[in-house]
Amino acid sequence: VQLVESGGGLEQPGRSLRLSCAASGFNFGVYAMSWVRQAPGKGLQWVSLIRSKAYGETTEYAPSVKGRFTISRDDSKSIAYLQMNSLKSEDTAVYYCATGAWPLEHWGQGALVTVSS
Amino acid sequence: QSVLTQPSSASGTPGQRVIISCSGSNSNMGTKNVYWYQQFPGAAPKLLIQRNDQRPSGVPDRFSGSKSGTSASLAINGLRSEDEADYYCAAWDDSLSGPLFGTGTKVTVL
Repeated sequence: VQLVESGGGLEQPGRSLRLSCAASGFNFGVYAMSWVRQAPGKGLQWVSLIRSKAYGETTEYAPSVKGRFTISRDDSKSIAYLQMNSLKSEDTAVYYCATGAWPLEHWGQGALVTVSS
Repeated sequence: QSVLTQPSSASGTPGQRVIISCSGSNSNMGTKNVYWYQQFPGAAPKLLIQRNDQRPSGVPDRFSGSKSGTSASLAINGLRSEDEADYYCAAWDDSLSGPLFGTGTKVTVL
């Protein structure tokens, strides 16, 4: 199992950023996918999850990102996405993608998102 | 908002036993399995204990977990220098409709 996040970087408050998580080594289409973030020097915080097509690709969001972030997936490319709009300074963190809804068994190496003017 | 509370730090000398506690509520640990993750600096978390007390393949048997009601604990027996890391408990939270992570415990090997 390999998960590789990309798309992180420095962005200004109020702007948007899209993270990608390229997956390989497993049957991506049958798994839920999740995003978890970790602010600098802080603990882990779950962000969002998307279930597989068999479960209607339903989504869940943490209250702190609901209405601003959108999770999606492209099973044909084995990629999960996290579209982050209206970014705030408190969104600054390393963002990890992980397999499953719960528990999160396999994790990527993370992508750093910095929101600052 | 639900919180899983852990001590911020724990320490021991090599060979000692260290226990990390985790306290939750009925919306998470009271009705759901508890999981533990180990995280080294600059690295992604790794699943250490699943379903309260089960070790995934490859996890040394000096790590053990237990749960009672809305509390859980992780024990590290025969502490080794390579166990120095951050440890997080976690459980699904019904009010969140997602997983809730503990506040994290930094284990230091003296």
